[in-house]
Amino acid sequence: GENVEQHPSTLSVQEGDSAVIKCTYSDSASNYFPWYKQELGKGPQLIIDIRSNVGEKKDQRIAVTLNKTAKHFSLHITETQPEDSAVYFCAASRTGTYKYIFGTGTRLKVLA
Amino acid sequence: GAGVSQSPRYKVAKRGQDVALRCDPISGHVSLFWYQQALGQGPEFLTYFQNEAQLDKSGLPSDRFFAERPEGSVSTLKIQRTQQEDSAVYLCASSLLRTENTGELFFGEGSRLTVL
Repeated sequence: GENVEQHPSTLSVQEGDSAVIKCTYSDSASNYFPWYKQELGKGPQLIIDIRSNVGEKKDQRIAVTLNKTAKHFSLHITETQPEDSAVYFCAASRTGTYKYIFGTGTRLKVLA
Repeated sequence: GAGVSQSPRYKVAKRGQDVALRCDPISGHVSLFWYQQALGQGPEFLTYFQNEAQLDKSGLPSDRFFAERPEGSVSTLKIQRTQQEDSAVYLCASSLLRTENTGELFFGEGSRLTVL
């Protein structure tokens, strides 16, 4: 079935450094890839998304890249800050389905 | 309220009890989703409503799980004869648009169910 693998499961970086989280999807028909941030006790919140017709999208300190051939996409956070500490989930979806297949999450810790 | 509201936030049930979890989506949002999130895992799709119509219930793990949205607004997820493996956070999300994967999902804070 459809699957999204996410790495690493935990990531610790020093404040100001960059963080990269990678995901691989199995369904080649996937065409929408959102990233969600989940803080403790809260629901996931969309931070950025990308569709299959573009290779890269940037929003201030956050960027996402997509490689359709390799079926993987990555989240890049630059100049990390303590408030970036949270669990990040990637997801994949395709036209014709209402399901978002989520990865298993990455717990990011930004050390001050 | 401005966001998706879920109640109760926490529910402890004895094995075999029935539970009902409520979701109040953002006003005017057409689409409503239920997800199950086990500890340390990503959310897993349970079911999807477009207004009052349940268009996809393929993620419901067994016939003990039932969801409804009778007036196209508030939704209830019901779990009958709860089992320990039902312990998880149940997340509700809503979206303004009706077309698949073209709208941001707004999640509630979830209902944490613990089955003893």
